[in-house]
Amino acid sequence: KAGVTQTPRYLIKTRGQQVTLSCSPISGHRSVSWYQQTPGQGLQFLFEYFSETQRNKGNFPGRFSGRQFSNSRSEMNVSTLELGDSALYLCASSLGQGYEKLFFGSGTQLSVL
Amino acid sequence: GENVEQHPSTLSVQEGDSAVIKCTYSDSASNYFPWYKQELGKGPQLIIDIRSNVGEKKDQRIAVTLNKTAKHFSLHITETQPEDSAVYFCAASPFSSNTGKLIFGQGTTLQVKP
Repeated sequence: KAGVTQTPRYLIKTRGQQVTLSCSPISGHRSVSWYQQTPGQGLQFLFEYFSETQRNKGNFPGRFSGRQFSNSRSEMNVSTLELGDSALYLCASSLGQGYEKLFFGSGTQLSVL
Repeated sequence: GENVEQHPSTLSVQEGDSAVIKCTYSDSASNYFPWYKQELGKGPQLIIDIRSNVGEKKDQRIAVTLNKTAKHFSLHITETQPEDSAVYFCAASPFSSNTGKLIFGQGTTLQVKP
């Protein structure tokens, strides 16, 4: 069974640009969560989707958004990039509840210059 | 607010020794406590989890204990091996706010010396 796939693996952007990250969950998993990982703040919850609906959202500005498609694939978008958005963005999928037995992808490393 | 504190931040042990990592959480209504292992260049991987109605759970060399009264839980790794070297994260689900998210600790870098 294939794991969680995130693309691209690395991204370099400049301030003010926008970026879209993609996540394909494990087959059969309907919940997709996104986390931001930085050395200073650690792992922080961004949002969670289930059956194309955003169920929960973390404490991030409105520049961070996401969506989920009917095949459970998910994308997250960050607009008007800031230097502080540089981080590893992790996607995780699970069968049901958005916090139990999460399977993480390897992440997308975003660098904002 | 919701918070999980993890200690120590770094831990170095000799191969074969035991390692213990401790976490405390703030939300007394939290009911799910997983532990994740993250190796370089990879995403976190679930290694063991425990629910609030269980005091201890063991899986081969790994065990987790939970003390609900004190609001702390610990990861115990016995007979450590070099391949156990990684960053370990504890987490808790803040059930009281029903947010469906995990609050992670800051991580412990475990080094197992051969």
